[in-house]
Amino acid sequence: GENVEQHPSTLSVQEGDSAVIKCTYSDSASNYFPWYKQELGKRPQLIIDIRSNVGEKKDQRIAVTLNKTAKHFSLHITETQPEDSAVYFCAASKDNDMRFGAGTRLTVKP
Amino acid sequence: GAGVSQSPSNKVTEKGKDVELRCDPISGHTALYWYRQSLGQGLEFLIYFQGNSAPDKSGLPSDRFSAERTGGSVSTLTIQRTQQEDSAVYLCASSLQAPANSPLHFGNGTRLTVT
Repeated sequence: GENVEQHPSTLSVQEGDSAVIKCTYSDSASNYFPWYKQELGKRPQLIIDIRSNVGEKKDQRIAVTLNKTAKHFSLHITETQPEDSAVYFCAASKDNDMRFGAGTRLTVKP
Repeated sequence: GAGVSQSPSNKVTEKGKDVELRCDPISGHTALYWYRQSLGQGLEFLIYFQGNSAPDKSGLPSDRFSAERTGGSVSTLTIQRTQQEDSAVYLCASSLQAPANSPLHFGNGTRLTVT
């Protein structure tokens, strides 16, 4: 089955700096790559997703890039704010079969 | 509309007892997933139901774990003879089966503590 690896496991940045989280996947047939944000004690919530027919997608301060050849995708957060502090999960999916990375704990220091 | 509902929200049980965790997906969502999240850890895939197809049980950690989905809606995850290592938050999620690869909507989870 699909194996998703995520790095780093923890990331600390100063407010206003950028944060980058990277993921790799093993199954070349995976074609959907969402990112979820989980705040402490809450459920994971979708923040952005990308499908395999595009290489980049942006939504305000958040962007995702996808390299299908290398089988890796990344989340970029610019102008980070303290409320961005959370655990972020990447995922890869094929035909609705979705597998998650181990998560990145992002801390934004004011 | 109503989101994914899980019950109970918290469950404390003694080692060796059986537990049942319930998930009510969003109406119309035919794909349903169970994940396990240990303290400070990632989302471990357990089982996936897609419509009327046979479920993907490849993530169930042992034969003490089973799940069913009745009538294509409500799902129950059963853990028999619970062990302390079963303590975790069990998250259910649902999504539309079509279009393929629709976003998952998570419930608030059931926090299971085995004493």
